[in-house]
Amino acid sequence: DIQMTQSPSSLPASVGDRVTITCRASQSISNYLNWYQQKPGKAPELLIYAASTLQSGVPSRFSGSGSGTDFTLTISSLQPEDFATYFCQQSYRASFTFGPGTKVDVK
Amino acid sequence: QVQLHESGPGLVKPSETLSLTCTVSGASIDSHHWNWLRQSPGKGLEWLAYISYTGHTNYNPSLKSRLTISLGTSQDQFSLKLTSVTAADTAVYFCARADIWNSYNYFDLWGQGTLVTVSS
Repeated sequence: DIQMTQSPSSLPASVGDRVTITCRASQSISNYLNWYQQKPGKAPELLIYAASTLQSGVPSRFSGSGSGTDFTLTISSLQPEDFATYFCQQSYRASFTFGPGTKVDVK
Repeated sequence: QVQLHESGPGLVKPSETLSLTCTVSGASIDSHHWNWLRQSPGKGLEWLAYISYTGHTNYNPSLKSRLTISLGTSQDQFSLKLTSVTAADTAVYFCARADIWNSYNYFDLWGQGTLVTVSS
């Protein structure tokens, strides 16, 4: 399996902050990398696929970048509804695998 | 509007078989890949299996010997069976649709999830 790691695991932040989350794959996955947002008690929601393509309906303050083994998710100006847990997921090879998550909470 | 909904027992005894069904409303299963995933505090998010509308399947290698994914008799359902369950299989189980664009595969639609507890 391709192992995914994320940092940090927890990210205290304030509304208006620029937030950056890092994801790393155990081997090169080109740009086969997706990002999801999950709120408590809810299913994950797709934010970004193919490392940098914004899913329809997702606000433009979310952006993704990276290729190979290192990827980032950036929220340009954190909004109240963005406090949540964020997961990366590789789709380079099935079995698809997820990172352990980064919880963005109130500073 | 396409929606997915998981159904099945919330409690399963150890060594028995967990059976779940996902009902798709607002669309039929004649395109995309249809997936099962689960989430537990200990293992995080874990992809289990997918089935295509043609019946092609793919399984998580670590669970393959215990998993079966299948299309339902109607055009709007697919199911999962996990045999010989233990407490480690306690999790929230999600069904999800995978869209495929230029070989990129991503879970664009999810059910709400259903908690399955393995306990005697």
